[in-house]
Amino acid sequence: EAGVTQFPSHSVIEKGQTVTLRCDPISGHDNLYWYRRVMGKEIKFLLHFVKESKQDESGMPNNRFLAERTGGTYSTLKVQPAELEDSGVYFCASSLSAGLRSDEQFFGPGTRLTVL
Amino acid sequence: AQSVTQLDSQVPVFEEAPVELRCNYSSSVSVYLFWYVQYPNQGLQLLLKYLSGSTLVKGINGFEAEFNKSQTSFHLRKPSVHISDTAEYFCAVTRFSGGYNKLIFGAGTRLAVHP
Repeated sequence: EAGVTQFPSHSVIEKGQTVTLRCDPISGHDNLYWYRRVMGKEIKFLLHFVKESKQDESGMPNNRFLAERTGGTYSTLKVQPAELEDSGVYFCASSLSAGLRSDEQFFGPGTRLTVL
Repeated sequence: AQSVTQLDSQVPVFEEAPVELRCNYSSSVSVYLFWYVQYPNQGLQLLLKYLSGSTLVKGINGFEAEFNKSQTSFHLRKPSVHISDTAEYFCAVTRFSGGYNKLIFGAGTRLAVHP
């Protein structure tokens, strides 16, 4: 069974440009999460989808970030326009269901974004 | 709100030596606790988790962790490390509640195992 995949693995862009990150969760997983790790700091939650609906986007830094999950399958995270402080590693995770007991989140390898 | 503190950013250790990676958390509600590992150029992999029951939790690759509620700690241990254990380790918590489970992570501990 394929794990969570993310594309691209690396992206280097200039300040002011637009970048779109993609995440393909494990097939059948309703829950999809985005996290970000800025250099050397903790991994921080960005947002959570249940199927195609945004359940919680409290971690999104500002309105330059837009996440979508078309049809409840893959998700994209667009940064427009990118700023220097957006550099970091963006992780995607998916889980089967978020019930009463914590459901394991499976993580992708991350996308390393560098904004110059 | 929950928070996680990993007390050591880097831990160097010799091969076959024991290791302990420390994790403390703060929360006003009951939490689930996790340790994840990230090997170079890979995603995060779940090592072990504490949901309830026995406070000593055994995970993959010979790791174990002990939940200590009074000290709000969840330290990770391995009695004898291998070179292949070199990686970054993350402690995380999530709320004990129905619904979704966003993870709150610590800053990570880099374990470097030397021959």
